[in-house]
Amino acid sequence: QVQLQESGPGLVKPSETLSLSCTVSGGSISGYSWHWIRQPPGKRLEWIGDMYSSGSTNYNPSLMNRVTISGDTSKNQFSLQLKSVTAADTAVYYCAREMFDYNGAGIGFDIWGQGTMVTVSS
Amino acid sequence: DIVMTQSPDSLAVSLGERATINCKSSQSVFYSSNNKNYLAWYQQKPGQSPKLIIYWAATRESGVPDRFSGSGSGTDFTLTISSLQAEDVAVYFCQQYYSSPYTFGQGTKLESK
Repeated sequence: QVQLQESGPGLVKPSETLSLSCTVSGGSISGYSWHWIRQPPGKRLEWIGDMYSSGSTNYNPSLMNRVTISGDTSKNQFSLQLKSVTAADTAVYYCAREMFDYNGAGIGFDIWGQGTMVTVSS
Repeated sequence: DIVMTQSPDSLAVSLGERATINCKSSQSVFYSSNNKNYLAWYQQKPGQSPKLIIYWAATRESGVPDRFSGSGSGTDFTLTISSLQAEDVAVYFCQQYYSSPYTFGQGTKLESK
């Protein structure tokens, strides 16, 4: 079955760029939307943005100035870059797949990675 | 942004009893063009990632036990567990995917009494 695995540094210095990758195994990246979501300690889940397999992207306006999501279909991977990080960006970062029905109606995030904790600290 | 508000924040229910969690959205998440509410429920157990259990407000994801049910439309939604099992102890989140940015409720921690 399809599995997602996040990878990247667990510690990032303030003002630097957070870079994470999500590898999709057991299925293709094509035909789905791929999302990044984060969960700061003790806070609710926050949607960061998504990328459709065609390459089109959509970002949370609260992060739009700092975030880039991109994909590499040859590696079956998609990536997150978040610039100029601060302590407020400390969170568990998840990648997830948005599934659609045969009419193209979204059904939510049906597959999630295990999550990776990223701490912003000097 | 659509704000999602869950109630209660925490809930303790005896095993075998009913658990009910509410979710209210600040705007309707009903898509009239296809008659669907773009509202999902997720279950998150400690140390695990969220798991989709209900989508379109009332459709159970494949493999989810039928003791889980969702209801509601527009702005008011409910997740019901008809007979709480020990493995249902978790945090439950609602999420709207009607409009970007997609937003989540603050979570309801469900414990056994």
